[in-house]
Amino acid sequence: AQSVTQLGSHVSVSEGALVLLRCNYSSSVPPYLFWYVQYPNQGLQLLLKYTSAATLVKGINGFEAEFKKSETSFHLTKPSAHMSDAAEYFCAVSDLGQFYFGTGTSLTVIP
Amino acid sequence: NAGVTQTPKFQVLKTGQSMTLQCAQDMNHNSMYWYRQDPGMGLRLIYYSASEGTTDKGEVPNGYNVSRLNKREFSLRLESAAPSQTSVYFCASSEAGRARDGYTFGSGTRLTVV
Repeated sequence: AQSVTQLGSHVSVSEGALVLLRCNYSSSVPPYLFWYVQYPNQGLQLLLKYTSAATLVKGINGFEAEFKKSETSFHLTKPSAHMSDAAEYFCAVSDLGQFYFGTGTSLTVIP
Repeated sequence: NAGVTQTPKFQVLKTGQSMTLQCAQDMNHNSMYWYRQDPGMGLRLIYYSASEGTTDKGEVPNGYNVSRLNKREFSLRLESAAPSQTSVYFCASSEAGRARDGYTFGSGTRLTVV
């Protein structure tokens, strides 16, 4: 079975600063990879996904993630944080039809 | 354009009471899932239904039962609620065999058991 590790359960950045949320997965075979965002009191919304096409994936709201097979990583970045980015972010892996979620990273944006 | 609809959105139960969480999707998806979300633990799969007429246990099935009523609806039942079942419950759906599309989630049911 897959496992997904999100380093840092809480990340704080200043408004306008770089956002970097880390995700590593365990698999020798590249799976499908996803980032979901959860705003307060809402469900999970798909931010972006990697499905074996381009390794740099662009998502909504200016986020992007890069698939690095050698590092088994799929880190999420955004060049300039906005107050509206404050949310919980989940990395997920789909392997053989099953989904495996990380434990989430809560992003705080400091004005 | 509803996607996945969950009812109710909030519920408070007393220990030992029963209730059913409802989930319906209008995307003609074959597979449906129930997750619970607890602080620091991410999302844990309770039960899933790969297709109409089938259900299977996930990671944390104890204390729950499910029913795949038809292709659209997948309900989660707590027969005798316990405080440990205080959580946020999410229903999700996907097209079977289309793992690359990911899941579509409902907005959640916030359940408190006192």
